[in-house]
Amino acid sequence: DAGVIQSPRHEVTEMGQEVTLRCKPISGHNSLFWYRQTMMRGLELLIYFNNNVPIDDSGMPEDRFSAKMPNASFSTLKIQPSEPRDSAVYFCASSPTGNSPLHFGNGTRLTVT
Amino acid sequence: GIQVEQSPPDLILQEGANSTLRCNFSDSVNNLQWFHQNPWGQLINLFYIPSGTKQNGRLSATTVATERYSLLYISSSQTTDSGVYFCAVVSSNDYKLSFGAGTTVTVRA
Repeated sequence: DAGVIQSPRHEVTEMGQEVTLRCKPISGHNSLFWYRQTMMRGLELLIYFNNNVPIDDSGMPEDRFSAKMPNASFSTLKIQPSEPRDSAVYFCASSPTGNSPLHFGNGTRLTVT
Repeated sequence: GIQVEQSPPDLILQEGANSTLRCNFSDSVNNLQWFHQNPWGQLINLFYIPSGTKQNGRLSATTVATERYSLLYISSSQTTDSGVYFCAVVSSNDYKLSFGAGTTVTVRA
């Protein structure tokens, strides 16, 4: 079991650029979550997918953020245009069902200058 | 939404000491997990424990769901135990895993 795989591990970009973060959940897991971690706000849920369908995106901060899950083995989180306040660690997590233990990827550390 | 409070916020231990971390939550839960975030930022699953007691090596956890709290015990602490310990819960009428603010543990040699 390779676990949840995220890429890239680190991303440094300039304000205004588009950023795409990628996630491969654990095979067979039906639920996928994107979280953001900052010093000020801790770990926040951004969006939750179940069976590839977005169920709750109320945590997405604004229209600059979008997420997709085109199939059961891949999800993306896109920020366009990026801003310095988007700098954070973004985690992807998956679970067999919506109420099972969550398994987290290693995160993507995003720095927007 | 459900509130999750962890205490203490910070803990400094001498290697070999024992400690107890506490997590209080404001509603009934279907899911409770303890995580360790290591100095490299990885979130490591420690326990899935919505109720009862579990042990894994030097770590153990107990959740008393009826009283809305969980405890994480670290025995014979080692420097590799340093990091932030998070408690996270899913309330009975929800699916979101809500995190506490964490307890930062520093184990000194």
